[in-house]
Amino acid sequence: RKEVEQDPGPFNVPEGATVAFNCTYSNSASQSFFWYRQDCRKEPKLLMSVYSSGNEDGRFTAQLNRASQYISLLIRDSKLSDSATYLCGDKAAGNKLTFGGGTRVLVKP
Amino acid sequence: NAGVTQTPKFRILKIGQSMTLQCTQDMNHNYMYWYRQDPGMGLKLIYYSVGAGITDKGEVPNGYNVSRSTTEDFPLRLELAAPSQTSVYFCATSGGLGGAEAFFGQGTRLTVV
Repeated sequence: RKEVEQDPGPFNVPEGATVAFNCTYSNSASQSFFWYRQDCRKEPKLLMSVYSSGNEDGRFTAQLNRASQYISLLIRDSKLSDSATYLCGDKAAGNKLTFGGGTRVLVKP
Repeated sequence: NAGVTQTPKFRILKIGQSMTLQCTQDMNHNYMYWYRQDPGMGLKLIYYSVGAGITDKGEVPNGYNVSRSTTEDFPLRLELAAPSQTSVYFCATSGGLGGAEAFFGQGTRLTVV
């Protein structure tokens, strides 16, 4: 079983709509979680860290559900510029940082 | 500060050749990582290091070797290149604290023919 799994999508989202997707992780001892954004042919860049209490950054909200071992990302009022691949990262003990396969989001006018 | 620098940016190898992908960082981070990304896929961890002199295998270490003699450098060695190693390789670093984010280099696009 993969350590981190994501729905590959694509999620086709009308501009202005809300989209949400999850990432499941298999290691119950995982300590830290992240959402990264990756544009085509570019390196991943941190979108936000995911805290136990959940966190919000503008139109983006991340949640962690330890009982069910998943994290989520919600994007409100989607912009065309939100089109990208979103990678879920899981940092386990020993600082081993693994990623899921990514979820592709396409925001359309 | 340059951050994380990877060289070369592009490379074409013939089957059976060897090469070293370079990664250097000026962020004084203890933790460094090598990933490969195949087209349309996520990042697969090849090797990682928690400090100079310490390395550990990731998810897909076969066909690769690493060394970490200094904090700054974490080269990835490909021996006997195979077409299956055609990929984009990313190096990343992290400050190490649990919640510390990772910073990525711009990647090396490798094609094995």
